Amino acid sequence: EIVMTQSPATLSVSPGERATLSCRASQSVSSKLAWYQQKVGQAPRLLIYGASTRATGIPARFSGSGSGTEFTLTISSLQSEDFAVYYCQHYNNWPLTFGGGTKVEIK
Amino acid sequence: EVQLLESGGGLVQPGGSLRLSCAASEFTFSNYAMNWVRQAPGKGLEWVSLINGGGTSTFYADSVKGRFTISRDNSKNTLYLQMNSLRAEDTAVYYCAKSYSGYHAFDIWGQGTMVTVSS
Repeated sequence: EIVMTQSPATLSVSPGERATLSCRASQSVSSKLAWYQQKVGQAPRLLIYGASTRATGIPARFSGSGSGTEFTLTISSLQSEDFAVYYCQHYNNWPLTFGGGTKVEIK
Repeated sequence: EVQLLESGGGLVQPGGSLRLSCAASEFTFSNYAMNWVRQAPGKGLEWVSLINGGGTSTFYADSVKGRFTISRDNSKNTLYLQMNSLRAEDTAVYYCAKSYSGYHAFDIWGQGTMVTVSS
C-alpha cells in the first residue's frame, strides 16, 4: 500500500497570502495524484487531477505540481472561501489512498 | 445537474449488516467507474471500494475485503454497498463518488450517509 503523507498538518495563513501544501508518496505514483478541498459538513471537491490539471470550474489561483513522490498544491492568494481541509490522493495502483489532510486556517 | 444521492445509512449492532444505495442522475452512469469513500467522525478520507462501468471488475481496501461487496444496476443508475460483519471501526459517513473519465480521481460526490455501528 502506498502511504501518502501531507505536511504541515495545519497551515495558518492570512487572507491574500500564498499557501503551499505538500504531499509525499511512499513510492512513485507518477502523475496519478489528485487534490481535494473539504469544508466542514460538506463532501470533498476535486481541485486537481493528473498532479497539475485543474478540474472544471476551479479558479486559477489553485495550482498543482510535482511527479513521482513529491507534490505541491499552491493557492496563490487565499480567499475567505479557501479556508478548509485539503487532501491528496493517489490513483496509481490498488488500494487508492488519501493523505491525512492539511487544514488551512485563518491567521 | 449531475447528482449522486446516497441512502441506507443508520444505526446497526456490531456483527450486523446494512446495504447502502447511491442513485445517480444526469450523466451516463454505465460509462463511469464508481466508488465508495468513507470518513470516520473527525478523521480523514478512506477509499473503500471501486466498481468499473460494466460492473465486471471490483476492488476493495484491505480493511473491508471479504466483508463488503460493491455492485451496481446500470438499468436503475444505482450503486450499492453491501456491508456485512460490521465493526465499530466501520462507523463513518459513507460517500459515493464518480471516477473522472479514465482517471480514478473523484469529480462528483454525494452528500454522504452516516453509518453508526454500536450496541
